[in-house]
Amino acid sequence: QKEVEQNSGPLSVPEGAIASLNCTYSDRGSQSFFWYRQYSGKSPELIMFIYSNGDKEDGRFTAQLNKASQYVSLLIRDSQPSDSATYLCAVKGGYNFNKFYFGSGTKLNVKP
Amino acid sequence: DAEITQSPRHKITETGRQVTLACHQTWNHNNMFWYRQDLGHGLRLIHYSYGVQDTNKGEVSDGYSVSRSNTEDLPLTLESAASSQTSVYFCASSEPTGEAFFGQGTRLTVV
Repeated sequence: QKEVEQNSGPLSVPEGAIASLNCTYSDRGSQSFFWYRQYSGKSPELIMFIYSNGDKEDGRFTAQLNKASQYVSLLIRDSQPSDSATYLCAVKGGYNFNKFYFGSGTKLNVKP
Repeated sequence: DAEITQSPRHKITETGRQVTLACHQTWNHNNMFWYRQDLGHGLRLIHYSYGVQDTNKGEVSDGYSVSRSNTEDLPLTLESAASSQTSVYFCASSEPTGEAFFGQGTRLTVV
């Protein structure tokens, strides 16, 4: 069983729609959760982090965390073609608290 | 501004050769990581370090080694390059409670 699971996609949404990206993790002791965006040929860049249950909003992005269900999601409102990228979920903490565990990423295509 | 840099950005080497990829960070982070990224596999952890003289194996460490002689640098060495090690390599650093900052990546081709 992988530590962090993501649907590989591709997830296609029309411009202006809401894109919903999901991630589940296996270590119930995990404490920190991150969403990275990676454009083709580039390195991952941090979009958001969340530590507590609930929602965290930053501009068009909302991260949602449900520790009981071991589930974290990223919502992108008013999706733009420039949002087309691969989104990586990362989890940190638990039994090896300094290590990051990455999902394999979800490829998002936003169609004009 | 603090940063993390990798060199070289691109490298072509022959099977059996020893190769070293450099990673240098000016964040003063104790934690440093090496990942490889291949299609369909996401980021896989090769080695990591939590401080000077500390190194640990990740999930895909066979054929790789690292050393940490100072806070800023964590070079990754491929002892005897194999075609299966053709990949994109990313170095990252972090504080214990914070996010990972990534270098620009090194594209390595083993022929």
